[in-house]
Amino acid sequence: KQEVTQIPAALSVPEGENLVLNCSFTDSAIYNLQWFRQDPGKGLTSLLLIQSSQREQTSGRLNASLDKSSGRSTLYIAASQPGDSATYLCAVRRNNAGNMLTFGGGTRLMVKP
Amino acid sequence: NAGVTQTPKFQVLKTGQSMTLQCAQDMNHNSMYWYRQDPGMGLRLIYYSASEGTTDKGEVPNGYNVSRLNKREFSLRLESAAPSQTSVYFCASTLGGTRPTQYFGPGTRLLVL
Repeated sequence: KQEVTQIPAALSVPEGENLVLNCSFTDSAIYNLQWFRQDPGKGLTSLLLIQSSQREQTSGRLNASLDKSSGRSTLYIAASQPGDSATYLCAVRRNNAGNMLTFGGGTRLMVKP
Repeated sequence: NAGVTQTPKFQVLKTGQSMTLQCAQDMNHNSMYWYRQDPGMGLRLIYYSASEGTTDKGEVPNGYNVSRLNKREFSLRLESAAPSQTSVYFCASTLGGTRPTQYFGPGTRLLVL
């Protein structure tokens, strides 16, 4: 059974700091990995999707990397801003699981002005 | 486009009552999903519909039923609500194929007393 873990569960940083969020998964036979953002009381917004054949994806100040063999992904946020405060979730899609996703518990990020 | 919409936004039920959560998408997506989100546990898949006319169980299907009414709509029914079903429920959809990104609705907050 695929298990996805995100550490830390919560993180507080001052504005302007570069930071890294971690995601690990137990079964390396994945089809893709997605990072989502969730604002309080809201649904999820997809940030980046990395296919299993890719090593990284970039969107603006966000960069996600994937090391499938070690079962790890990181989300790098450059020059953090208070508007980045949210919960970040990673999710993996297994090879033989249609488009079903297995989610981690999320990292709650607070960026202080 | 409204994207993925869910009704109601909030509901309080007594144990044993029944209700249906509604979900609709206007993106002509093939696949639709129901998740529940509990504190510290990420999202867990309840049921999904890979295409119109098909439904399959996810990770936590017990106590729920679903109906893919047409391509746009996917409903989730609780026949006899239990306090353990207190949660936030999210509906999602995806085009699939080369566009695997899942798009989420705003959620329904359910409290079962």
